[in-house]
Amino acid sequence: NAGVTQTPKFRVLKTGQSMTLLCAQDMNHEYMYWYRQDPGMGLRLIHYSVGEGTTAKGEVPDGYNVSRLKKQNFLLGLESAAPSQTSVYFCASSPASSGNTIYFGEGSWLTVV
Amino acid sequence: AQSVAQPEDQVNVAEGNPLTVKCTYSVSGNPYLFWYVQYPNRGLQFLLKYITGDNLVKGSYGFEAEFNKSQTSFHLKKPSALVSDSALYFCAVRVLYNQGGKLIFGQGTELSVKP
Repeated sequence: NAGVTQTPKFRVLKTGQSMTLLCAQDMNHEYMYWYRQDPGMGLRLIHYSVGEGTTAKGEVPDGYNVSRLKKQNFLLGLESAAPSQTSVYFCASSPASSGNTIYFGEGSWLTVV
Repeated sequence: AQSVAQPEDQVNVAEGNPLTVKCTYSVSGNPYLFWYVQYPNRGLQFLLKYITGDNLVKGSYGFEAEFNKSQTSFHLKKPSALVSDSALYFCAVRVLYNQGGKLIFGQGTELSVKP
């Protein structure tokens, strides 16, 4: 019953450091997403993928890169972290049809100092 | 542009009273509407969705939502609130045929249920 799993859950980075957030889903979903959550702004889409080997930009992609080498995994990378990237990051997945529910992971809390 | 609005940042309700969390939307075409709940330091949990059919949708934990096309609203309701319902609630619309069918979220409404 794992669903969508994110690692790590918490991380503190120094400005300029790099890191990768890992997302894994065990539901054989085609679509995967990375969102960030900031107070008063709801959730905003960073990048998404509609299938293995494909990725695309969302609303706020600057400063992030993603990869989806395997269907079950979706990685979010920060090449040079900035304080503006302090946020809570959520991975999500869904089957291909838009009528289906999108399921979220538990979140990754990132602080950039 | 498609958007979702939750006009109340916070809703306060006494335990046992009915609750309503408001949501309005703006989309082209037929909307796919969702409600999620977020407990402190947790992810988003799916509550219910409207795709088509009956305007009153029933979901998890006794919640329901009423789709009103003329008022472009999708308000979340519960007949009798529990203290454990206190959480952050998000309304969202799923975009069709674009950006992987992403969800567009409202800003969220903090629900506080007092004993």
